[in-house]
Amino acid sequence: KQEVTQIPAALSVPEGENLVLNCSFTDSAIYNLQWFRQDPGKGLTSLLLIQSSQREQTSGRLNASLDKSSGRSTLYIAASQPGDSATYLCAVDPNDYKLSFGAGTTVTVRA
Amino acid sequence: ETGVTQTPRHLVMGMTNKKSLKCEQHLGHNAMYWYKQSAKKPLELMFVYSLEERVENNSVPSRFSPECPNSSHLFLHLHTLQPEDSALYLCASRKGGGDEKLFFGSGTQLSVL
Repeated sequence: KQEVTQIPAALSVPEGENLVLNCSFTDSAIYNLQWFRQDPGKGLTSLLLIQSSQREQTSGRLNASLDKSSGRSTLYIAASQPGDSATYLCAVDPNDYKLSFGAGTTVTVRA
Repeated sequence: ETGVTQTPRHLVMGMTNKKSLKCEQHLGHNAMYWYKQSAKKPLELMFVYSLEERVENNSVPSRFSPECPNSSHLFLHLHTLQPEDSALYLCASRKGGGDEKLFFGSGTQLSVL
């Protein structure tokens, strides 16, 4: 059974600092990995999707890397802003509809 | 807006009530999901429908009953729920066929008294 772990569970940084969020998974036989953002009481918004054949994906200030062999992905957010405060979740997709999610990292960016 | 709409946004029900959650998408997606999100826990997959056929029933209690009448609509029928069923229920969809990005609705916050 795939286990997805996100450490730390919570993170607080001053505005302008770069954020590094970690995601690890136990079964490297994945099809892709997605990073999501969730605001309190809301649904999830997809940020980046990395196919298993890719090493990284970038969108604006966000960069996600994937090391499938070691079961790790990292989401980097450059020059953090208070609007980046949210919970960030990663999910791995084994290509059988059953995505496995981590519990998330809750980020607070202090103005 | 993601294009996935869930109603109602909030629901309070007693343990003897029957209610239904609704989800719709007009994105042309072929797979729809129900997830349960409890505080501080990972999302739990409840049901998956692909092309209107149920692909996965993840050993969810029978007091939750899904219905997918067409590719754009998904329902979750609730009856005789327990207080531990209080959670955020999220609907999601994706196109499939190589386009695997998942789109979520805003969720229904359910409280069972």
